[in-house]
Amino acid sequence: EAQVTQNPRYLITVTGKKLTVTCSQNMNHEYMSWYRQDPGLGLRQIYYSMNVEVTDKGDVPEGYKVSRKEKRNFPLILESPSPNQTSLYFCASSPGTAPNYGYTFGSGTRLTVV
Amino acid sequence: AQSVAQPEDQVNVAEGNPLTVKCTYSVSGNPYLFWYVQYPNRGLQFLLKYITGDNLVKGSYGFEAEFNKSQTSFHLKKPSALVSDSALYFCAVRDEETYKYIFGTGTRLKVLA
Repeated sequence: EAQVTQNPRYLITVTGKKLTVTCSQNMNHEYMSWYRQDPGLGLRQIYYSMNVEVTDKGDVPEGYKVSRKEKRNFPLILESPSPNQTSLYFCASSPGTAPNYGYTFGSGTRLTVV
Repeated sequence: AQSVAQPEDQVNVAEGNPLTVKCTYSVSGNPYLFWYVQYPNRGLQFLLKYITGDNLVKGSYGFEAEFNKSQTSFHLKKPSALVSDSALYFCAVRDEETYKYIFGTGTRLKVLA
């Protein structure tokens, strides 16, 4: 089944403790992206990647890192999480950058930083 | 700058009645428009898209959307709502220059039995 897999689904952590949220897709998609979803703000892009070793900042990149060493994986790293990073996070992928491509989303990771 | 507006935070409709979820957009080039649905505790799922051609686009689960260039709108519609349609709906436009998606803030649809 074609899918984007995120782990974990739920995570509670303490301020300052480094964490990684994994994202993997099995569709050979070139374009991958991370979003955070907050009430009243919709989805905001954190980082995106147009291909292996090509990443760039989205609208809200502060406090996050990403890497794209393999085409299928696009982990999101929070080096020193803070309570304002408590949110619902989604990974998404699309076949490429052409504007007619839609996204396939992962199921989400609900992160709470205390 | 590209933008998407969903003017209603919530839409309530009775089961069996037609529903409309509104979306307006602003783009400098060609509009590439999408609707996604998010059910509770799930990721967003693609419903339909407008790229070019017919102004009425048909999608999943009986949904359709009407593209109106003069009003810069892309409203989501369904002739007869089901309770199971209750979810959060997002309109999005993809920028053909930057490849970025711009999402609206979402509209919560509540279908009442």
